[in-house]
Amino acid sequence: NAGVTQTPKFRVLKTGQSMTLLCAQDMNHEYMYWYRQDPGMGLRLIHYSVGEGTTAKGEVPDGYNVSRLKKQNFLLGLESAAPSQTSVYFCASSLYRGLVTQYFGPGTRLLVL
Amino acid sequence: TQLLEQSPQFLSIQEGENLTVYCNSSSVFSSLQWYRQEPGEGPVLLVTVVTGGEVKKLKRLTFQFGDARKDSSLHITAAQPGDTGLYLCAGEDAGGTSYGKLTFGQGTILTVHP
Repeated sequence: NAGVTQTPKFRVLKTGQSMTLLCAQDMNHEYMYWYRQDPGMGLRLIHYSVGEGTTAKGEVPDGYNVSRLKKQNFLLGLESAAPSQTSVYFCASSLYRGLVTQYFGPGTRLLVL
Repeated sequence: TQLLEQSPQFLSIQEGENLTVYCNSSSVFSSLQWYRQEPGEGPVLLVTVVTGGEVKKLKRLTFQFGDARKDSSLHITAAQPGDTGLYLCAGEDAGGTSYGKLTFGQGTILTVHP
């Protein structure tokens, strides 16, 4: 099993450009999450999904959109990138809510110029 | 919004020393998790504590959940260079509709020098 994989690993964007980050998990997990990690701020939840076709906003959703068309994939979109979105993005998945392990991907490092 | 204050933010020690990392909040959590993250990788779960006052040991690491389930600590005995990394605490909302959402502390960067 590959666990949680993320594509791409690194990307440089210019302000105003768009891109999609792909997260895939092969553990048949129901719940998937997108976080961003910035120095001194831990991980902050952007959006999450409790199942195929359902998504919800997290703590910092502005400027991002998500889709979960297939159970194993969770896509994070930036429609018009801004320098404030420079960060490391982590996807995670868990089998159910509560008292379960969240398995994290290796991260995508995004630089917006 | 629930907040988790983690301290210290940075810790640089010599091999063999002991250390403690703290995670504090004014909110009650249903569980508290500790993760370790290495450079270029995602966080990996070390332990989950659930019951107030609970103590769990993982080799040289001791994790404690406060009686009121608002705080937690991680104690490492005789630290080794292999313990170097970013340590994150994360609390699970005690409310009923959190869908397993975690609130993360800011993290503690631990460096253990040989």
